[in-house]
Amino acid sequence: EAQVTQNPRYLITVTGKKLTVTCSQNMNHEYMSWYRQDPGLGLRQIYYSMNVEVTDKGDVPEGYKVSRKEKRNFPLILESPSPNQTSLYFCASSLYLNTEAFFGQGTRLTVV
Amino acid sequence: QKEVEQDPGPLSVPEGAIVSLNCTYSNSAFQYFMWYRQYSRKGPELLMYTYSSGNKEDGRFTAQVDKSSKYISLFIRDSQPSDSATYLCASLESSTLGRLYFGRGTQLTVWP
Repeated sequence: EAQVTQNPRYLITVTGKKLTVTCSQNMNHEYMSWYRQDPGLGLRQIYYSMNVEVTDKGDVPEGYKVSRKEKRNFPLILESPSPNQTSLYFCASSLYLNTEAFFGQGTRLTVV
Repeated sequence: QKEVEQDPGPLSVPEGAIVSLNCTYSNSAFQYFMWYRQYSRKGPELLMYTYSSGNKEDGRFTAQVDKSSKYISLFIRDSQPSDSATYLCASLESSTLGRLYFGRGTQLTVWP
């Protein structure tokens, strides 16, 4: 089944404790991206990647890191999480930039 | 100014009503226009896709793009309670460069 898989689905952590949210797609897609979704603010893009080893900043990259060492994986790293990073996070992939984006199920992160 | 503006609503209509959802965009170079639907606790899914100006119809859904006024619309005919979701418009400029820009999403409730 074609899908984008995020892990974990739910995470509660403490301020400053490094964490990684994994994202994997099985569709051989070129383009992957991370979004956060907050009430009243909608989907905001954090980082995106056009291909392996090619990443770029979106709207809200501060406090986040990404890497694209393999085509299928695009992990999101929070080196020192803070409470303002409490949010619902989505990973998405698409074959090309102008084709359908497939979203993961989301990761609800709470930083206390 | 955001690249894509969308009234977040909420919008509440009775079953059977015609629903009109709208977005405006600022970048005249945008060529690709999409509507995503997001059910509660799920990731967004592509609903409609339009290239350049014009109308596209799919069952009860019609997507409309007016590039002269930079206006994007989604019409839902004979709305059903199962249409209750958040609808997000999205636009992008090129198939190979840049990124996808989302509106904030409009929350729609169709009551029986």
